[in-house]
Amino acid sequence: AQSVTQLGSHVSVSEGALVLLRCNYSSSVPPYLFWYVQYPNQGLQLLLKYTTGATLVKGINGFEAEFKKSETSFHLTKPSAHMSDAAEYFCAVSDDSNYQLIWGAGTKLIIKP
Amino acid sequence: EAGVAQSPRYKIIEKRQSVAFWCNPISGHATLYWYQQILGQGPKLLIQFQNNGVVDDSQLPKDRFSAERLKGVDSTLKIQPAKLEDSAVYLCASTPTSGSTDTQYFGPGTRLTVL
Repeated sequence: AQSVTQLGSHVSVSEGALVLLRCNYSSSVPPYLFWYVQYPNQGLQLLLKYTTGATLVKGINGFEAEFKKSETSFHLTKPSAHMSDAAEYFCAVSDDSNYQLIWGAGTKLIIKP
Repeated sequence: EAGVAQSPRYKIIEKRQSVAFWCNPISGHATLYWYQQILGQGPKLLIQFQNNGVVDDSQLPKDRFSAERLKGVDSTLKIQPAKLEDSAVYLCASTPTSGSTDTQYFGPGTRLTVL
């Protein structure tokens, strides 16, 4: 069965610092991988996704993630944090059979001024 | 293009009462999902529809939860009777029929508090 592990329920960084949110998955087949962001009292919004092709994926708001098959990881990064990045971030995985998503528990990103 | 609509946004009920949530997906999206998101956790799939048929309801607590999508467009999720542990955000999502069929588009959710 597929599963997703997000390391750290809370990550705190200073404004302007590097953001690194970790995601590891287990999947018996080549996965589709997603990062979603959830702002307070809002639904989930797709940040970026990996399906096939280039392993470095660029998303919205300056975020990017790299699919590393050997490490079964899909970590999310942003070179310079902004106050508006404060939100909860969810990693999810699916196979291509039915596109159902298996979700991580989420990481709350806190930005310090 | 209008997004996924959900109502109400907030609902407070007493335990053992009934409640219903409504979702209208993006126009033309054939697949619709209902999720339960408990505070501090990722979303948990309750039910997946393809048009008006159920694809997967294996995680729906059928003794108290029901859902329908009669005309293959909007959908209703009902809880009867509610328990304290049903307090959560209920999210609706839909996926397009062509193009990015792997991408789910989410509504703002309904926050349910059961007292």
